[in-house]
Amino acid sequence: AIQMTQSPSSLSASVGDRVTITCRASQAIRSDLGWYQQKPGEAPKLLIYAASSLYSEVPSRFSGSGSGTDFTLTISSLQPEDFATYYCLQDYNYPRTFGQGTKVEIK
Amino acid sequence: EVQLVESGGGLVQPGGSRRLSCAASGFTLSGFWMHWVRQVPGKGPVWVSHINSDGTTTQYADSVKGRFTISRDNAKNTLYLQMNSLRAEDTAVYYCTRDLDFVVGTAHFDAFDIWGQGTMVTVSS
Repeated sequence: AIQMTQSPSSLSASVGDRVTITCRASQAIRSDLGWYQQKPGEAPKLLIYAASSLYSEVPSRFSGSGSGTDFTLTISSLQPEDFATYYCLQDYNYPRTFGQGTKVEIK
Repeated sequence: EVQLVESGGGLVQPGGSRRLSCAASGFTLSGFWMHWVRQVPGKGPVWVSHINSDGTTTQYADSVKGRFTISRDNAKNTLYLQMNSLRAEDTAVYYCTRDLDFVVGTAHFDAFDIWGQGTMVTVSS
């Protein structure tokens, strides 16, 4: 199974900060990667698909980049509603595998 | 409104069985691959199983292979997960999720665009 390693596992940031989360795959997965946001008590929500394509109605402050093994999710200016946990998910093959998550907390 | 609603969770004894259902509304289930994902509270989500649009192809995580069966009834717009020989480590919130095919240029990509609210399964004596 492909291992997805996210870093950092948590971070503290302030409103307006630029935040970067990385995800590394244990083997090349082309651009077959999505990013999801999850808030407590809720299901995950799709933010980015195909590594860099913004899903419908997701604010443009979210962006994704990368291909092969290294991927990045960037929030250009953190907003109060962005405090959540973020997961990457590879859709290159089965079993689908998630990163372990990055919790973004208020500084 | 496009939505998925899971049901069937609850308390089950180790070794027992449970069937989860996922009712789709606002869209025709037959047009989509579907998945089950589970999540232990406080931990990250884990993919469990996949089924293609007509139910002829399925995939399972190694941890549930031989014990869980995914199926669908497109006429009822409903997805199922039959869980047998349940273990304590199967305790989790179970989500059904829709797999949407995105086209970027000439390439196709999958992502889980719609999720249910989840149903909690607790395996304990």
